Amino acid sequence: EAGVAQSPRYKIIEKRQSVAFWCNPISGHATLYWYQQILGQGPKLLIQFQNNGVVDDSQLPKDRFSAERLKGVDSTLKIQPAKLEDSAVYLCASSPRITGSREAFFGQGTRLTVV
Amino acid sequence: GIQVEQSPPDLILQEGANSTLRCNFSDSVNNLQWFHQNPWGQLINLFYIPSGTKQNGRLSATTVATERYSLLYISSSQTTDSGVYFCAVSVSGGYNKLIFGAGTRLAVHP
Repeated sequence: EAGVAQSPRYKIIEKRQSVAFWCNPISGHATLYWYQQILGQGPKLLIQFQNNGVVDDSQLPKDRFSAERLKGVDSTLKIQPAKLEDSAVYLCASSPRITGSREAFFGQGTRLTVV
Repeated sequence: GIQVEQSPPDLILQEGANSTLRCNFSDSVNNLQWFHQNPWGQLINLFYIPSGTKQNGRLSATTVATERYSLLYISSSQTTDSGVYFCAVSVSGGYNKLIFGAGTRLAVHP
């Protein structure tokens, strides 16, 4: 079974530029998560989708971050414009459903550096 | 929201030693997972353990949901066990919003 795929692996941009990250979850997984992990901290949830609907985006900085999950499969996370403090690893995860097995699996992440 | 506290924050071991990592949480949960984050940043699933006890080789985990804690045991540690161990939980009745603790940073020296 293929895991969660993310791209790109690394990205360096200047502040005020825009950037987009892509995630393809495990086939058949209904729930998709985007996390931000700043160096030395635990991952922080940015947004959670159930199929193609948002169920939690309470910690997403909506003035600069946006995310979509078209057709309930893959997803993109965008930052526009980027700030220095957005430098972090962006992790995507998926889990099968909200009942039964809820085990989440993570992709390798995208390391973003804003200079 | 739910609070997740991990202890100790840092741990240094000699190869071959045993250790216990703890995760306390402040509410009833329907999901608890332990992850190992390797030096390349990949989060590796160790255990999906909302309750009970599981073992996988040198690692085992126990969750006592009624007392709101989980323990991860590492026996006969190896240098490859180094990295950060995270506990993550989701609150019962919700949409499986997975909340992470701050992690335990483990260094195993030869």
